[in-house]
Amino acid sequence: GAVVSQHPSWVICKSGTSVKIECRSLDFQATTMFWYRQFPKQSLMLMATSNEGSKATYEQGVEKDKFLINHASLTLSTLTVTSAHPEDSSFYICSARVEAVGQPQHFGDGTRLSIL
Amino acid sequence: TQLLEQSPQFLSIQEGENLTVYCNSSSVFSSLQWYRQEPGEGPVLLVTVVTGGEVKKLKRLTFQFGDARKDSSLHITAAQPGDTGLYLCAGAGAGNMLTFGGGTRLMVKP
Repeated sequence: GAVVSQHPSWVICKSGTSVKIECRSLDFQATTMFWYRQFPKQSLMLMATSNEGSKATYEQGVEKDKFLINHASLTLSTLTVTSAHPEDSSFYICSARVEAVGQPQHFGDGTRLSIL
Repeated sequence: TQLLEQSPQFLSIQEGENLTVYCNSSSVFSSLQWYRQEPGEGPVLLVTVVTGGEVKKLKRLTFQFGDARKDSSLHITAAQPGDTGLYLCAGAGAGNMLTFGGGTRLMVKP
């Protein structure tokens, strides 16, 4: 149980393109999902917390107009990287948790974004 | 801001050796999770420890949560090449937000 699916797993696009990444909880409902960014050989850095039916909460230094988050249902959150540039190239990972005390976060398999 | 220091950053050992990875913080966490991540994949949960002093075993892996719930360790006995990967500790704080350690990149050579 507690499977999180992320799509696409890999995307290459030209500079200036907007890219949408989907995160789905397959067998549970998640009012809260999280988006992380991971640079090569580094740990995960939290970008934002996605809340179902309300605005996302962004971490300091993360541009909300650059990284648009929509959490329209209890099983789907999307991250759109708008007008992507090469410096946005990274590994983006989402997570979701079962809404109960002490439940851990379960992670998707990540999306490798390469901007040319 | 809660910080979680993980050490060592890199570890290269021979098959059959033992190793310990440490996560330390000045903050108290409600729980602490250990993940393992393969290249190009998301982290996979290994264990969650909740109670101070708790010890959990997963085959050759032993996880310990400090009495004060500020630190944790992961001990691997008789490491195998299949244990190679990035090990991440993550402490859960307010709102169950996770703070990740910097990761330990383990390579086990046959």
